[in-house]
Amino acid sequence: KQEVTQIPAALSVPEGENLVLNCSFTDSAIYNLQWFRQDPGKGLTSLLLIQSSQREQTSGRLNASLDKSSGRSTLYIAASQPGDSATYLCAVRPVETSGSRLTFGEGTQLTVNP
Amino acid sequence: DAGVTQSPTHLIKTRGQHVTLRCSPISGHKSVSWYQQVLGQGPQFIFQYYEKEERGRGNFPDRFSARQFPNYSSELNVNALLLGDSALYLCASRLSLGSNTEAFFGQGTRLTVV
Repeated sequence: KQEVTQIPAALSVPEGENLVLNCSFTDSAIYNLQWFRQDPGKGLTSLLLIQSSQREQTSGRLNASLDKSSGRSTLYIAASQPGDSATYLCAVRPVETSGSRLTFGEGTQLTVNP
Repeated sequence: DAGVTQSPTHLIKTRGQHVTLRCSPISGHKSVSWYQQVLGQGPQFIFQYYEKEERGRGNFPDRFSARQFPNYSSELNVNALLLGDSALYLCASRLSLGSNTEAFFGQGTRLTVV
């Protein structure tokens, strides 16, 4: 059974810091991994999608890496801003024949202090 | 362009009642998935439909059911509501089941069972 773990559960940093969020998964048989952002009480916003054959993806100040063989992904946020404060979730799409379900971690709650 | 839309946004129900939640996918997307997110946890997969056929079911009791209509919109039904069904219910759409497709989420329906 695929399990996804995110460390740390919560993180508080001063504005301007570079930071790394970690995600690990137990089964390397995945199609891809997605990072999402969730503001309190809201839905999920897709940030980055990394295919299993890729090593990293970048979007603006965000960079996500994937090491499928070791079951790890990191989300790097450069020059953090108070507007980055949110919960960040990673999700893997396991290889399966019939569907495309996602397995999520429990998220990292990020607070960026002005 | 409209994203994934869910209705209603908030709902309060009494134990034992039933509820119907609705989701409209992004135009052109044929896959809809439902997730339950309890406060403080990551989303848990409930159902997936593709081209009106069920393609996956998570570990939820038979009180939960869903369907997809010819226009690819979807309904999630929950019978005999329990206090533990209180959660944010999220709908996700995909263009297809291809391995490189990205999941896009709606803003969710907040269900409170009293």
